[in-house]
Amino acid sequence: GAGVSQSPRYKVAKRGQDVALRCDPISGHVSLFWYQQALGQGPEFLTYFQNEAQLDKSGLPSDRFFAERPEGSVSTLKIQRTQQEDSAVYLCASSLAPSYLSGNTIYFGEGSWLTVV
Amino acid sequence: RKEVEQDPGPFNVPEGATVAFNCTYSNSASQSFFWYRQDCRKEPKLLMSVYSSGNEDGRFTAQLNRASQYISLLIRDSKLSDSATYLCAVNKRAGKSTFGDGTTLTVKP
Repeated sequence: GAGVSQSPRYKVAKRGQDVALRCDPISGHVSLFWYQQALGQGPEFLTYFQNEAQLDKSGLPSDRFFAERPEGSVSTLKIQRTQQEDSAVYLCASSLAPSYLSGNTIYFGEGSWLTVV
Repeated sequence: RKEVEQDPGPFNVPEGATVAFNCTYSNSASQSFFWYRQDCRKEPKLLMSVYSSGNEDGRFTAQLNRASQYISLLIRDSKLSDSATYLCAVNKRAGKSTFGDGTTLTVKP
């Protein structure tokens, strides 16, 4: 389809395991965002890319979280040594324009549901 | 205190009712405002942007009060299909959205 695609859709990880979550943004979209959404809460910002540059990583909760977008399209969010509190939905979103343009519509993927046991 | 706060839910209303959601934000430097709809186990989808002059899209009306730092969403003649969680989002600078925790609406026959 033409939307934001995320994989895996569901992941169960044992505590301490490393996980990698992939995001395929809409083709040609410059901006890419990662959000974390815990049950019953709104999405929390993690990080932002403009093309391949990671311009804002202020929302990453610890140094166990790492994101990259090496060629300015596909992005990977990696979580090392997963903990139970990492259990959440990880949402990727993309938008056509750079983030400094207001009124920029962002489109979310369906999310990767991570459960750490 | 969260940067963006919404009415606690859930809202349970009969079909045809009018329902209003409020959302307050704490940062006066906020520039852009949005309402999203999120269905159960689905991703948020933009419902409408919110402008200072207020804006309407069919049965949905959004308003912004910068002086009091709140935004509102009014749904008239509610339908069963309006049942969802409604998230407000605020941008201090374009692109990076801060979301409220959402208000769940259930419309009953």
